[in-house]
Amino acid sequence: AQRVTQPEKLLSVFKGAPVELKCNYSYSGSPELFWYVQYSRQRLQLLLRHISRESIKGFTADLNKGETSFHLKKPFAQEEDSAMYYCALGANNLFFGTGTRLTVIP
Amino acid sequence: NAGVMQNPRHLVRRRGQEARLRCSPMKGHSHVYWYRQLPEEGLKFMVYLQKENIIDESGMPKERFSAEFPKEGPSILRIQQVVRGDSAAYFCASSQNRGESYEQYFGPGTRLTVT
Repeated sequence: AQRVTQPEKLLSVFKGAPVELKCNYSYSGSPELFWYVQYSRQRLQLLLRHISRESIKGFTADLNKGETSFHLKKPFAQEEDSAMYYCALGANNLFFGTGTRLTVIP
Repeated sequence: NAGVMQNPRHLVRRRGQEARLRCSPMKGHSHVYWYRQLPEEGLKFMVYLQKENIIDESGMPKERFSAEFPKEGPSILRIQQVVRGDSAAYFCASSQNRGESYEQYFGPGTRLTVT
């Protein structure tokens, strides 16, 4: 069965520090992984997807099939990065993790 | 393009009443998805619909819940005889096509409270 695990409910980092939001998945097929973000008082929106291998707002995520992980990283956190981040697995439908609330301390 | 619209934003129902949640997809989108978010949990897929068809309802509770997406008008998620455990945020999303892209555009959600 498919499952997405985000082990950290809360994560706080200082502005300018590196940030890594962890995501592990369980799926027997070929996965499609995504990161969605929800800023305060805004809707959930797609941040990036693994197949496009792009960097959005300085964030990157690499799919590691050996470790079944898709961690989200940014080398220098900004205050505007404070938000709720959801990792999602595309397997017929989207399966979401429970989310990590990132707070960037000025 | 106003994006995905959901109404009402907040809905309070007494136990045993019916709840109707509406979702209007983005213009040009014919795929609609409903998700439920219980407190302290992630979004859980409920149902995927195209116009006039339910494509996948594997996440829907077997009883009391139903969904439709008529030819005209919004998609409706209907919960009959609500119970306290139905209290949650219900999100609707839409996409232009299914294919390889799971880029879904989300609405603001409807927060249902059952008293």
